[in-house]
Amino acid sequence: GEDVEQSLFLSVREGDSSVINCTYTDSSSTYLYWYKQEPGAGLQLLTYIFSNMDMKQDQRLTVLLNKKDKHLSLRIADTQTGDSAIYFCAEWTYGNNRLAFGKGNQVVVIP
Amino acid sequence: GAGVSQSPSNKVTEKGKDVELRCDPISGHTALYWYRQSLGQGLEFLIYFQGNSAPDKSGLPSDRFSAERTGGSVSTLTIQRTQQEDSAVYLCASSLNSGRPPDTQYFGPGTRLTVL
Repeated sequence: GEDVEQSLFLSVREGDSSVINCTYTDSSSTYLYWYKQEPGAGLQLLTYIFSNMDMKQDQRLTVLLNKKDKHLSLRIADTQTGDSAIYFCAEWTYGNNRLAFGKGNQVVVIP
Repeated sequence: GAGVSQSPSNKVTEKGKDVELRCDPISGHTALYWYRQSLGQGLEFLIYFQGNSAPDKSGLPSDRFSAERTGGSVSTLTIQRTQQEDSAVYLCASSLNSGRPPDTQYFGPGTRLTVL
């Protein structure tokens, strides 16, 4: 079944790196996503990783996937004030008609 | 190009009234999803439309909730006899669903529903 867990809150100083973690339970997940939600806005796709990959880097974003532990992380390098948002991880598997989302992790960047 | 749009952006209603929420998906996207985001909660799947197939309604929380998708494009989510626990942000998403993964979903800004 689908069950995605995330921690709730992270504060980080501007310029530091921030790491957001997520665990999932569906071992057949094929794609894992990170979405960003700024205040009052919808969800914006940040990046995704295919389950046969261990790492994906996209500019300041690095996604790490530990399939054995079903653990997904998002590292944001050189965190900026514009990175303050709620970050959701989500998993998608073949045959499912929906994404299963975690509860989100609020990141607050302190200038 | 134009993204997913939703209207209204905010809706305040009285308990017991019916409400309609609208979603305009990205042109050419055959799949359309409705989610509900309650305060401090993740996204709860409500319903999924794919082309002309019967919708997947497995996430609708009660029979007070229904949705239509006319002409394979615009969708309306209707909540009858609203209750205070229906207060949430209702998010719509669409995807190309070309049959080749990943089938990335693109979200609208949401409709914030407040039931007094």
